[in-house]
Amino acid sequence: GAVVSQHPSWVICKSGTSVKIECRSLDFQATTMFWYRQFPKQSLMLMATSNEGSKATYEQGVEKDKFLINHASLTLSTLTVTSAHPEDSSFYICSASIQSRRTQADTEAFFGQGTRLTVV
Amino acid sequence: EDQVTQSPEALRLQEGESSSLNCSYTVSGLRGLFWYRQDPGKGPEFLFTLYSAGEEKEKERLKATLTKKESFLHITAPKPEDSATYLCAVQAGGRRALTFGSGTRLQVQP
Repeated sequence: GAVVSQHPSWVICKSGTSVKIECRSLDFQATTMFWYRQFPKQSLMLMATSNEGSKATYEQGVEKDKFLINHASLTLSTLTVTSAHPEDSSFYICSASIQSRRTQADTEAFFGQGTRLTVV
Repeated sequence: EDQVTQSPEALRLQEGESSSLNCSYTVSGLRGLFWYRQDPGKGPEFLFTLYSAGEEKEKERLKATLTKKESFLHITAPKPEDSATYLCAVQAGGRRALTFGSGTRLQVQP
């Protein structure tokens, strides 16, 4: 089946530095990808929608200057956490879905393995 | 605003003890309801997509059903390896992003 690959799976960085997380769709093209954040024992919260060739759409309360999203190709989206602080420590997960040409509904939505970010 | 509520929050079963997880939703224009399994420290693993009331899908010991207000994930004769958090999510209206429920943490004891 379709696979979404996310890298790195974990990263530890110092406060004030930036971290880049990559999300790739391995065997399908994704014009749209999604970035979620998950706190311990909580569900996934959408951060932003990544659109190939255009600006990302951010959810209310998500700082676009802090969480930079680039979707330069049909198979790659990146999330850069800039000037990271300890409160940015979390589990970040990307997603891409396959859309039915006939119905325009998403038939399957796949997630990456997630990235555990720890800011010290 | 789309709302997804899962119950119970946690469930402990003995191996072989069948049960059901519930996902109730309030959305405008359901386009799809998705079920996922998530193991600790990993991304969600896709299980099913349901589109309309009355639809059912099965995969091994899991069966998902859908009505106009809720979905059930039935687990038949579960095994310890079925232990995980099961997430329900909806896609509705013109929005492609999924709205997730809080999940059900399932523990199956041998």
